Parts: sequence; structure tokens; C-alpha cells
Amino acid sequence: KQEVTQIPAALSVPEGENLVLNCSFTDSAIYNLQWFRQDPGKGLTSLLLIQSSQREQTSGRLNASLDKSSGRSTLYIAASQPGDSATYLCAVIPQAGTALIFGKGTTLSVSS
Amino acid sequence: GAGVSQSPSNKVTEKGKDVELRCDPISGHTALYWYRQSLGQGLEFLIYFQGNSAPDKSGLPSDRFSAERTGGSVSTLTIQRTQQEDSAVYLCASSLAGGGEQYFGPGTRLTVT
Repeated sequence: KQEVTQIPAALSVPEGENLVLNCSFTDSAIYNLQWFRQDPGKGLTSLLLIQSSQREQTSGRLNASLDKSSGRSTLYIAASQPGDSATYLCAVIPQAGTALIFGKGTTLSVSS
Repeated sequence: GAGVSQSPSNKVTEKGKDVELRCDPISGHTALYWYRQSLGQGLEFLIYFQGNSAPDKSGLPSDRFSAERTGGSVSTLTIQRTQQEDSAVYLCASSLAGGGEQYFGPGTRLTVT
């Protein structure tokens, strides 16, 4: 059974710092991996999708990498800002036509 | 274009009542998913639609839960005889095809008193 783990559960950093959020999954046979952001009381905003054949994806200050063989993905946030404060969720799709399996998220707080 | 919309945004109901939650996916998206997020819990999958068919209902927690999708578009999640443990945020997502990038709606917060 696929399980997704995110470490750390919470992270506090000062503004301007570069940071890495970690995601691991137990079964390397995935279809794709998606990173989301969730603000308090809101729905999920898709940040990046990495297909199983890809190694990384970039969007602005965000870079996500995927190492299927080791069952790991990282989300790199450059030059963090207070507006980046949110919960970041990692999720995998085992195969096409199946649902996302989520980690429990990392809650990020960026102080000014 | 418009994103995924859900209604109502909040619903308070008495234990034992039935509720209906609605999801309007992004136009043209064939795949639709329902998830729920309980306080202190992660996101759990409920049901997946491809078109009007539901090939995966494995996440529905009991037979009090049902869902349908009509016209390959709007979906309704129905909870009968609600219980307090049903209190959660119910989230809907859609994707262009099964396995594609999923886009989420704002959710419906259900409170059962």
C-alpha cells in the first residue's frame, strides 16, 4: 500500500531564506507526483506536477525534483517571503485513473 | 476560465438529516474526484468519476454515502442520516483526464450538530 510522508511537519524560517520541503513515498511505481499549497480555511492550489518520466519542474521561485528510485521528492523555495506561509502538500498518483494519495503536509511560517 | 466550484461553501445540519453537496468541474475535464479533510486528519479519497461512471468508489466510508455525475459535468455527493463523524471539509477536484493534474475547488465545510 502506497504511503506518503512529509518531513518536517512544521517549519519556521526568516524571510529571504531558501528552504527545502521533503516528501517520500513507499512504492516507486507512480504515475505522477503533485505539490499543492493550502492556505487556512481554503482549498488546494496546485503548484507543480511532475510526471514519472521527469526529474524536475520549475515555476518561478519553486523547483520540485523527483527521484523515483529512492521514493523521494523535494520542493525547493527560493528567497522565501511571508506570503509563502501555508501548508504544503505532496501527493502521488499510483497509476492513471486512480486518486491522489496525500502526505499530511508541512506547515511553513515565514517571518518578516 | 472558471475553476472548480462547490456549493454550498458551508453547511450546518442536524444529526440524522440528509445533505447534498455539489461540484461543478472545470469545463471539458472528464475526471472528477471527491476527497474529504477532517480536523487533524489528512486528505482522504472518497470516489472517482471518469465521465458519468465511477470506476473507483473504494473510499466511500459507508453505504450512507453516495455520489452521481450527470452529463459528464456536475457531480453531487449525498450523505444520508448524517453523523457527527461526517463533519469535515469535502473537496472536489477535476482533471482533463484520469491521472492528469488535479485542480481543486474551495470545498464545502460540513458541520453535523
